[in-house]
Amino acid sequence: EAGVVQSPRYKIIEKKQPVAFWCNPISGHNTLYWYLQNLGQGPELLIRYENEEAVDDSQLPKDRFSAERLKGVDSTLKIQPAELGDSAVYLCASSLGGSAETQYFGPGTRLLVL
Amino acid sequence: AQKITQTQPGMFVQEKEAVTLDCTYDTSDQSYGLFWYKQPSSGEMIFLIYQGSYDEQNATEGRYSLNFQKARKSANLVISASQLGDSAMYFCAMREGHNTDKLIFGTGTRLQVFP
Repeated sequence: EAGVVQSPRYKIIEKKQPVAFWCNPISGHNTLYWYLQNLGQGPELLIRYENEEAVDDSQLPKDRFSAERLKGVDSTLKIQPAELGDSAVYLCASSLGGSAETQYFGPGTRLLVL
Repeated sequence: AQKITQTQPGMFVQEKEAVTLDCTYDTSDQSYGLFWYKQPSSGEMIFLIYQGSYDEQNATEGRYSLNFQKARKSANLVISASQLGDSAMYFCAMREGHNTDKLIFGTGTRLQVFP
């Protein structure tokens, strides 16, 4: 069974440029998560989707970050414009949904903003 | 206050030996779940083991076991017979309450296994 797929794996951009990350969850997983992981820290939740609905986006900086999951499968996380402090790893995870289910993570996208 | 505390920034262990990675947590909920994830240099977070707050037995998964001490609010990960491939970052995480699947992570412990 294929795991969570993310692309690109690495991205280098200049500040003020836009950037987008893509995630394909495990087949059948209706819950999808985007996490931010700063260097030396554990991941922090940005947004959680149940199917196509964003059910928890309280930690998403909405002035520059946006996300979508139009058909309840793939998801895109966008930053516009990027700032130097956005340099981090962006992790996508998926689960079957429900509080007892394990979250499975993708390899992440490492973003460097110059 | 930190919800998940991992006090060991780094640990060393010799191959084939056992190692314990510490994790303490803070919650007032009676229902919660505790997870351990491994993050190798490739970046992917790999699920290792889960312990529910109502589970009476310590969780085990192959060479991984979770030493769950509820009264002390600790959930230490024990890796037996360490292998070179175990070298990675290890994160403890908690799901608080029974109506949420939001995970709160600790800052991680870097484990180095040497021959």
